[in-house]
Amino acid sequence: QSALTQPASVSGSPGQSITISCTGTSSDVGTYNLVSWYQQHPGKAPKLMIYEGSKRPSGVSNRFSGSKSGNTASLTISGLQAEDEADYYCCSYAGSSTWVFGGGTKLTVL
Amino acid sequence: QVQLVQSGAEVKKPGASVKVSCKVSGYTLTELSMHWVRQAPGKGLEWMGGFDPEDGETIYAQKFQGRVTMTEDTSTDTAYMELSSLRSEDTAVYYCATFELGSYDYWGQGTLVTVSS
Repeated sequence: QSALTQPASVSGSPGQSITISCTGTSSDVGTYNLVSWYQQHPGKAPKLMIYEGSKRPSGVSNRFSGSKSGNTASLTISGLQAEDEADYYCCSYAGSSTWVFGGGTKLTVL
Repeated sequence: QVQLVQSGAEVKKPGASVKVSCKVSGYTLTELSMHWVRQAPGKGLEWMGGFDPEDGETIYAQKFQGRVTMTEDTSTDTAYMELSSLRSEDTAVYYCATFELGSYDYWGQGTLVTVSS
């Protein structure tokens, strides 16, 4: 199971929108609509932001949205805020009851 | 609301084993599917394994098979992850997390395991 591919870093100014990609294969992201996204601030546990590709848990801002095209899933954050600065990880089902995470993306709010 | 409280930091020598606990409150362990994820210093998240409610079995990532054992004590609502034959590369923060709808919705605070001679 190889880690999903994410850009190491992305940045944006307050109020802008950014998109983080998560590229897998036809064995994981491309076949299953079971991609989730997590936000992690330094020294903290990850927090679920998106599940089943595009659904938001209760309490997560609607500025966060998820989508998928082919083998690539994406997380879009609109109206960037300072508190969005964090690491973001995608995760996908990889078949046979196994799961795989992406390498993580550091979001910097300029 | 589920709360997961993990055991404290551990320092182990290479070749030793470590057992990390994860105490559940707010729900009973039988109502949850528990998984374990680790994060080496400055690195990303890595899935280690967890309980698959579909077939009622615990599944381990291939990388850890033979070295990891995940168990549960339903009488105390505590999940355990034991990793053996520790090496320096196993130095990481280990998290327990509840699994539902293909995602991890509640996480423990993490347990730092340091492997050093």
